[in-house]
Amino acid sequence: EPEVTQTPSHQVTQMGQEVILRCVPISNHLYFYWYRQILGQKVEFLVSFYNNEISEKSEIFDDQFSVERPDGSNFTLKIRSTKLEDSAMYFCASSPGTAAGQRVTEAFFGQGTRLTVV
Amino acid sequence: AQKVTQAQTEISVVEKEDVTLDCVYETRDTTYYLFWYKQPPSGELVFLIRRNSFDEQNEISGRYSWNFQKSTSSFNFTITASQVVDSAVYFCALRGNTPLVFGKGTRLSVIA
Repeated sequence: EPEVTQTPSHQVTQMGQEVILRCVPISNHLYFYWYRQILGQKVEFLVSFYNNEISEKSEIFDDQFSVERPDGSNFTLKIRSTKLEDSAMYFCASSPGTAAGQRVTEAFFGQGTRLTVV
Repeated sequence: AQKVTQAQTEISVVEKEDVTLDCVYETRDTTYYLFWYKQPPSGELVFLIRRNSFDEQNEISGRYSWNFQKSTSSFNFTITASQVVDSAVYFCALRGNTPLVFGKGTRLSVIA
């Protein structure tokens, strides 16, 4: 069964360093997303990406964040200068877009990358 | 604004008991989708079900069933004959014209 894969599963970084979280969405999906979950809290939307550009972003997704689809398979989230409060589980998700002319909105999530900023 | 409320923070049941997880939502969109996800201790988010706002038919999948009541803006999830493997955090989520909005989750502990 196709799945969203994320690497690494756990990343530890020093405050102020740049990190890149990587995701390989399901191959025929068109919409890509990043969400984050601070430990013990709810899952929050960061950004969605369609047709090689950001389609929506939340207030959390400020200038220190960026996303990129550098090739046909990877979808990355870059945090330029990490802060302690960026410590969280980051989930990548993808959805098909449309099927038989109808919008399909299931978002299939990867297993997450746990980012720890020290 | 979209909002999802899961009033039950934690529930503990003994194996084989039935358990219902509540979800109440708010939206002004006329077309929207409701989801349930399971987050086991390993941390991943497992998609369980999606319902659209025009389909109020209840759904059953094995031991899982979902009750969508548009009149009360609720989308409750029942696990019948619970098992230890059902122990997880369960999230209800809503998608209207905005990306997925999650509730705070309900932690279910099933005790053998």
